[in-house]
Amino acid sequence: DAKTTQPNSMESNEEEPVHLPCNHSTISGTDYIHWYRQLPSQGPEYVIHGLTSNVNNRMASLAIAEDRKSSTLILHRATLRDAAVYYCILRDEGRGSNYKLTFGKGTLLTVNP
Amino acid sequence: GAGVSQTPSNKVTEKGKYVELRCDPISGHTALYWYRQSLGQGPEFLIYFQGTGAADDSGLPNDRFFAVRPEGSVSTLKIQRTERGDSAVYLCASSFDRDSEAFFGQGTRLTVV
Repeated sequence: DAKTTQPNSMESNEEEPVHLPCNHSTISGTDYIHWYRQLPSQGPEYVIHGLTSNVNNRMASLAIAEDRKSSTLILHRATLRDAAVYYCILRDEGRGSNYKLTFGKGTLLTVNP
Repeated sequence: GAGVSQTPSNKVTEKGKYVELRCDPISGHTALYWYRQSLGQGPEFLIYFQGTGAADDSGLPNDRFFAVRPEGSVSTLKIQRTERGDSAVYLCASSFDRDSEAFFGQGTRLTVV
């Protein structure tokens, strides 16, 4: 499975934008880029996903590099509730085991008041 | 609410004992997953059910672990002869189908003493 690389931790201030990077240099053509986050003492929750084009939803935006070897999750205005571990995951939709999410250690985001 | 429910939220058991962990998925979700999360790590896949059948149990660590979903809804993860190394948070997730986003429960924290 293609792997992702994320910084161990990042810090942000409340109400400022946050850009969470993810490198996936071995991404294949059928890999979708998924982001999940895990709040303290909670299970992971889906944030956003995309293939090639940038994506927006109510939670965040996903910016995907033109060569698809990296992507950035953008939180437009961080709140204290956004403090969580953020996981960047590749799901190969061309394989039969696409249901299986392979989590790394993710990025621990700290939001300062 | 209408989310994934896991019971109990915490379970302390003695080494060698048998435990059962229960998962109530979101109504109508045909796919159900179990993951295990050790401290400081991302969740690791254990097993995937499509309906009543275990479509992929490749993540179960050994034959002390078993899971069932007899009516295609509630699932139970069973661990025999528990060991201290089984201590972790066990997460259940469900999705409408194998291609849809997964919704996670809050997990059961298992401590083997």
